[in-house]
Amino acid sequence: KNQVEQSPQSLIILEGKNCTLQCNYTVSPFSNLRWYKQDTGRGPVSLTIMTFSENTKSNGRYTATLDADTKQSSLHITASQLSDSASYICVVSGQSFQKLVFGTGTRLLVSP
Amino acid sequence: DGGITQSPKYLFRKEGQNVTLSCEQNLNHDAMYWYRQDPGQGLRLIYYSQIVNDFQKGDIAEGYSVSREKKESFPLTVTSAQKNPTAFYLCASSAGSYQETQYFGPGTRLLVL
Repeated sequence: KNQVEQSPQSLIILEGKNCTLQCNYTVSPFSNLRWYKQDTGRGPVSLTIMTFSENTKSNGRYTATLDADTKQSSLHITASQLSDSASYICVVSGQSFQKLVFGTGTRLLVSP
Repeated sequence: DGGITQSPKYLFRKEGQNVTLSCEQNLNHDAMYWYRQDPGQGLRLIYYSQIVNDFQKGDIAEGYSVSREKKESFPLTVTSAQKNPTAFYLCASSAGSYQETQYFGPGTRLLVL
């Protein structure tokens, strides 16, 4: 069964600290992996997208990594800010529209 | 939220009533999607459309209907057959292929009276 599992479910960190969110998937065949940020009550916004051949992609303070062999990805947030408080969703795409699988997200709270 | 708008922001449905959620995009995207988001679950695909006048069922299409008469519009109707409609509904669009990044609207929260 195609699944995307994210950990931890929730995380609280102090402003200015770094954190890493994890994503494991079983989607096969694999096309690409995306990380989205979703503020409460809003639609998700794309942060990064990586294909099979890419193992790292940065977007400002956000850096995503991908290990297609172990089917794992991580999202590293550097020097966290209060505005980083949101849910972060890992999305893995297979080979068709029907094969887009969403993780349940990690809820991050950055505390002052 | 890009160039995608959804309305209304909140919608209340009475039992036995059909309600329609609006989704409009000005990104000139070919593909549009409807997702349902429930607490503790990942987004689930209700319907998608790759081109005008064509749409396909997603994983949870029962109790929902859509139309795609115009490229920029993809309304979703929640029918009385959907017994548990309370959820956050998200519309998205992409340039075409499922490999393209999807851009999401701000969402509509549907509540049952």
